[in-house]
Amino acid sequence: GAGVSQTPSNKVTEKGKYVELRCDPISGHTALYWYRQSLGQGPEFLIYFQGTGAADDSGLPNDRFFAVRPEGSVSTLKIQRTERGDSAVYLCASSATGTQPQHFGDGTRLSIL
Amino acid sequence: GDSVTQMEGPVTLSEEAFLTINCTYTATGYPSLFWYVQYPGEGLQLLLKATKADDKGSNKGFEATYRKETTSFHLEKGSVQVSDSAVYFCALRYQGGSEKLVFGKGTKLTVNP
Repeated sequence: GAGVSQTPSNKVTEKGKYVELRCDPISGHTALYWYRQSLGQGPEFLIYFQGTGAADDSGLPNDRFFAVRPEGSVSTLKIQRTERGDSAVYLCASSATGTQPQHFGDGTRLSIL
Repeated sequence: GDSVTQMEGPVTLSEEAFLTINCTYTATGYPSLFWYVQYPGEGLQLLLKATKADDKGSNKGFEATYRKETTSFHLEKGSVQVSDSAVYFCALRYQGGSEKLVFGKGTKLTVNP
């Protein structure tokens, strides 16, 4: 079966631009997570959805970051007024429920010039 | 807050050598513990897990035992192969709440023939 799909795989944009990153979870998975991985570091939690609602957004670094999951399936991570420090690999994971193992996508590598 | 500390890498071994990658954690309560692996050019994959003290997780010849008294979850393999070359991440998951994962920084393993 299909795994977690993330698009685009790479995104290069200029400082100050707006970007959207998409995550398509495994079918039927109700829990969805976004993480950010900087070079040489482990993934850091950003936000967790259970169904359509954000159950925990404590990892979002500031109000330039926002994520939605309007129908409880696909999620979009949105970054406004991008900064060079936003450059990282953005990972999405899903699980059948909050307590089941998380399955990761291959990530979107975001580069801010 | 909760955290995971992994031994510094990189680690370079010859084929058939014994592998240990140390992992210790700081957490309130009793988290679940995980090892994830990232092979070159691929996404994060769950390698093994343990959900309570003294549990041993195992997969593909790798093992790790959840030691509450030493707050550790060291990864071991008796005889590594070239195909084990990857980055290994230790992680804990909060009990209750968002079930988010907290990762260590990762340890890069290179196995030479």
